Amino acid sequence: ETGVTQTPRHLVMGMTNKKSLKCEQHLGHNAMYWYKQSAKKPLELMFVYSLEERVENNSVPSRFSPECPNSSHLFLHLHTLQPEDSALYLCASSQDLAGGTQYFGPGTRLLVL
Amino acid sequence: AQSVAQPEDQVNVAEGNPLTVKCTYSVSGNPYLFWYVQYPNRGLQFLLKYITGDNLVKGSYGFEAEFNKSQTSFHLKKPSALVSDSALYFCAVRDLNNNAGNMLTFGGGTRLMVKP
Repeated sequence: ETGVTQTPRHLVMGMTNKKSLKCEQHLGHNAMYWYKQSAKKPLELMFVYSLEERVENNSVPSRFSPECPNSSHLFLHLHTLQPEDSALYLCASSQDLAGGTQYFGPGTRLLVL
Repeated sequence: AQSVAQPEDQVNVAEGNPLTVKCTYSVSGNPYLFWYVQYPNRGLQFLLKYITGDNLVKGSYGFEAEFNKSQTSFHLKKPSALVSDSALYFCAVRDLNNNAGNMLTFGGGTRLMVKP
């Protein structure tokens, strides 16, 4: 275990549904990240938060909405997704943005029908 | 800009033989390099990293990697492969001089298959 947990581990949703992914880190870190891992593609960084403030948004569609209520929790709210959004969504955390190692959660496997 | 290339989609090795998984990178400043491993249905697990210092970095599970600045490479190695090493391996880079957000760029991954 890396100290980063994600729920749910698996999620199936229709294109009109609204769902949320949750990430929690127990490492006392100040930075958290969302990544998307699709088959045959490199990991894509979606969002970066530091001390609950968004630092980076890599041109992610608005149907993905992150929320970071405190430094231990990170959410990814999903609405009106497309089938091509089906992927493994990984959360990570690091001590800060100064270059600390990122530790990953197990991911949420999302299938959009 | 920073980028990483893993030229091999898959590496096949017999158990007990040495293994190498290749990684080359491109940054405009000084690199901060990582290797991660991903087992089926799991997230990425940190193996090792290079920032400065000794070019040979030792990590978890007997893995090591050698930083070669002239060849801009950071190949992952292990003297004797185990069947349990079979997994997907990712190299990642961060440009220390031009990256305020600790944003890593990952390679496409290399699948390591170790056969008994």
